[in-house]
Amino acid sequence: GNSVTQMEGPVTLSEEAFLTINCTYTATGYPSLFWYVQYPGEGLQLLLKATKADDKGSNKGFEATYRKETTSFHLEKGSVQVSDSAVYFCALSPDVAGNQFYFGTGTSLTVIP
Amino acid sequence: DTAVSQTPKYLVTQMGNDKSIKCEQNLGHDTMYWYKQDSKKFLKIMFSYNNKELIINETVPNRFSPKSPDKAHLNLHINSLELGDSAVYFCASSPRNRGDHEQYFGPGTRLTVT
Repeated sequence: GNSVTQMEGPVTLSEEAFLTINCTYTATGYPSLFWYVQYPGEGLQLLLKATKADDKGSNKGFEATYRKETTSFHLEKGSVQVSDSAVYFCALSPDVAGNQFYFGTGTSLTVIP
Repeated sequence: DTAVSQTPKYLVTQMGNDKSIKCEQNLGHDTMYWYKQDSKKFLKIMFSYNNKELIINETVPNRFSPKSPDKAHLNLHINSLELGDSAVYFCASSPRNRGDHEQYFGPGTRLTVT
């Protein structure tokens, strides 16, 4: 079947620290992979995406590389800011038709000054 | 120029009542979704409509009934509300037919059942 596993939170980092949030997936075929971010009191926003193996998605200093060999899509940022405090969701869409989306459980990040 | 909007933003009601949440998107997308997010932030898809046709109906109690009058609107009606229905409900849309799977989310409706 299809599923997404994210590292458990919450994660607390100091400003300018390096961030990694692990995400692994199980899917049939060739899924598209996504990271979404949810700021307090808001809906989810797409942060970045990758649609095929070895693609790197990047946005706002965040990066994630689609690794088919390890079925992973880990989110990284070199230097986090207080404004990055949010909940981060890894997700996959398993088929070309995009009928279904599978979200991970979310990882809460708090960045302290 | 809000992309995906939901009303109301907050909804407090008593057990046994019937309530509706409305969703509208002005992005011209073909596909719309309803998600439920529980207190632990776990997000679960409930329904998906493509061009007013139901294409995903997860194991949701039949007290929940989606209605899509046109492809820009997807409303959610809930009968006989229960305490366990308390959650944040998100509407989303996607230009699925263009091969772009990205989902655009509304701001959410926080439902509290007392």
